[in-house]
Amino acid sequence: DGGITQSPKYLFRKEGQNVTLSCEQNLNHDAMYWYRQDPGQGLRLIYYSQIVNDFQKGDIAEGYSVSREKKESFPLTVTSAQKNPTAFYLCASSRRGPNQPQHFGDGTRLSIL
Amino acid sequence: GENVEQHPSTLSVQEGDSAVIKCTYSDSASNYFPWYKQELGKRPQLIIDIRSNVGEKKDQRIAVTLNKTAKHFSLHITETQPEDSAVYFCAASWGGRRAGGTSYGKLTFGQGTILTVHP
Repeated sequence: DGGITQSPKYLFRKEGQNVTLSCEQNLNHDAMYWYRQDPGQGLRLIYYSQIVNDFQKGDIAEGYSVSREKKESFPLTVTSAQKNPTAFYLCASSRRGPNQPQHFGDGTRLSIL
Repeated sequence: GENVEQHPSTLSVQEGDSAVIKCTYSDSASNYFPWYKQELGKRPQLIIDIRSNVGEKKDQRIAVTLNKTAKHFSLHITETQPEDSAVYFCAASWGGRRAGGTSYGKLTFGQGTILTVHP
């Protein structure tokens, strides 16, 4: 799935700082997703977007924000309100519609300084 | 909302043996069940998926079975090889139209199974 690019691969956040994780796809997918992965746990949905200029909260949206100004891009901002941001963040995309396979990027590992 | 339970959390087998991972889900309306393989530090990759109108699907050494009545589905890997060692995740989602609008794309994942295949 080389069509989904996440950057940076590693990111460090200071206390009180907002950081933005980038996700770009060239698969011409309408839908994009952000997941958080913690050790020993499955992936949990943060935000998802089915179409440009529209997005919905997932199961753990508090402390995060997103935008979807372009079809190709779905950046995630981890705000200072997210008190436990250390995790592996995965972006995914899919075709729009029911039951479409999701394809993942390589992830960004966020740590606290 | 949907809840997906996955067992076992770890599974160790000898090369050539079979491996079975089971998941149960809570929402009877769920109709799409993918399985992902994630190697250490890598992205999850879709290995097989099944929709609720099918009871079983096979792809070479991998098969998935679905029991809608019991709300569980399983991944079967035959003739395991060391390169099958990874974390496997099941997931479930509902996609379609019902009162309140159309909903799709929201996958709920199980907690993952660490599969180790010993040479």
